[in-house]
Amino acid sequence: AQKVTQAQTEISVVEKEDVTLDCVYETRDTTYYLFWYKQPPSGELVFLIRRNSFDEQNEISGRYSWNFQKSTSSFNFTITASQVVDSAVYFCALSEWYNNDMRFGAGTRLTVKP
Amino acid sequence: GAGVSQSPSNKVTEKGKDVELRCDPISGHTALYWYRQSLGQGLEFLIYFQGNSAPDKSGLPSDRFSAERTGGSVSTLTIQRTQQEDSAVYLCASSLDMGNPSTDTQYFGPGTRLTVL
Repeated sequence: AQKVTQAQTEISVVEKEDVTLDCVYETRDTTYYLFWYKQPPSGELVFLIRRNSFDEQNEISGRYSWNFQKSTSSFNFTITASQVVDSAVYFCALSEWYNNDMRFGAGTRLTVKP
Repeated sequence: GAGVSQSPSNKVTEKGKDVELRCDPISGHTALYWYRQSLGQGLEFLIYFQGNSAPDKSGLPSDRFSAERTGGSVSTLTIQRTQQEDSAVYLCASSLDMGNPSTDTQYFGPGTRLTVL
């Protein structure tokens, strides 16, 4: 069965600092999909990225970047030059091939202080 | 709007009462999911609907929980004889589920916060 671990429960940084959110996963499938979602104080989950298991290229989108390493079963998320608006709970999730059960990590609460 | 909508946004009920939570998926999305998020926890999968196929109920925690999806669109999650441990945010998501998991992504609604007194 798949499992996602986000060991960092809470992180607090000062604005403009870089911060990395860790995500480690477990799966027996060779085909799977990894996700990051952001949950701001409003509560609605916002999709950030999807990564397929056969594509290990790192992804950069503005201040956000993702480092996918199959060798360590990790899919870490870095925010560069953090801003107060980045404050939220961030969830990493894993979905196996044609498995309807998308498994979420417990989330990391990021607080960015001005 | 064009996103997933859920109602009510908040529901307070007494222990033992039944509650119904509603989800309106994004138009054209054939797949619909229910999740539960307990305080400070990640999301727990409850049930999945795909078109007219039999739902995947593997995540429902007990037989007090049930869900239906009428006409392949709106879904209702029903919790019978609510217990205090049912207090959580119930999130609904929908996706195109066009048979290609490599491109399908779930989009979430704002959730219903259920409080059982």
